[in-house]
Amino acid sequence: QVQLQESGPGLVKPSETLSLICTVSGDSMRSYYWSWIRQPAGKGLEWVGRMYTSTSINYNPSLESRVTMSIDSSKNQFSLKLTSVTAADTAIYYCARDSGWFDPWGQGIQVTVSS
Amino acid sequence: DIQMTQSPSSLSASVGDRVTITCQASQGINKYLNWYQQKPGKAPKLLISDVSNLEMGVPSRFSGSGSGTDFTLTISSLQPEDIATYYCQQYEDLSILTFGPGTRVDIK
Repeated sequence: QVQLQESGPGLVKPSETLSLICTVSGDSMRSYYWSWIRQPAGKGLEWVGRMYTSTSINYNPSLESRVTMSIDSSKNQFSLKLTSVTAADTAIYYCARDSGWFDPWGQGIQVTVSS
Repeated sequence: DIQMTQSPSSLSASVGDRVTITCQASQGINKYLNWYQQKPGKAPKLLISDVSNLEMGVPSRFSGSGSGTDFTLTISSLQPEDIATYYCQQYEDLSILTFGPGTRVDIK
């Protein structure tokens, strides 16, 4: 059974870079896309980006100038970097396996942008 | 971008009621429409993929239908454990995946 777990700092200062890792267990990362999705408190879901390999990546255009995703298949991990963060980037960040539909999801990690 | 809308934004129904949530896409999305259930404090859970494919373990009181731009999630007999927010999501455009704004379901 595939499981995903997000990890990273829960607090990031404004203008700095948010960095998260998603660790995948129970299956190989090959043959699937992997996505990040975020959710501000009390609000809906926003897709951040998806990747298959290092050369097959799509980002949400609203975040594209600040987002970088990467993958380390040898560690069964993929990562998210979001630069120049502001309070608007405060959210729960989820990673998920992406087959067009998202399943399964990680439990999510709360990231707060504050000085 | 393909925009997704949902109605209603919230509803309150009695146990045993039939509940219907609609999702509309700004352009045709063929069968590429999924539904999720999110309970408070939890990650979303995939309920239905490709309009009507019920995921394993999801109760049969949940069903999905629709085509083109208009889609429906139906709960045939609302149960207390169905209290959650429901989201639709399209993947017709794989360069930008989008969710509906969500429908909150409560018990009356």
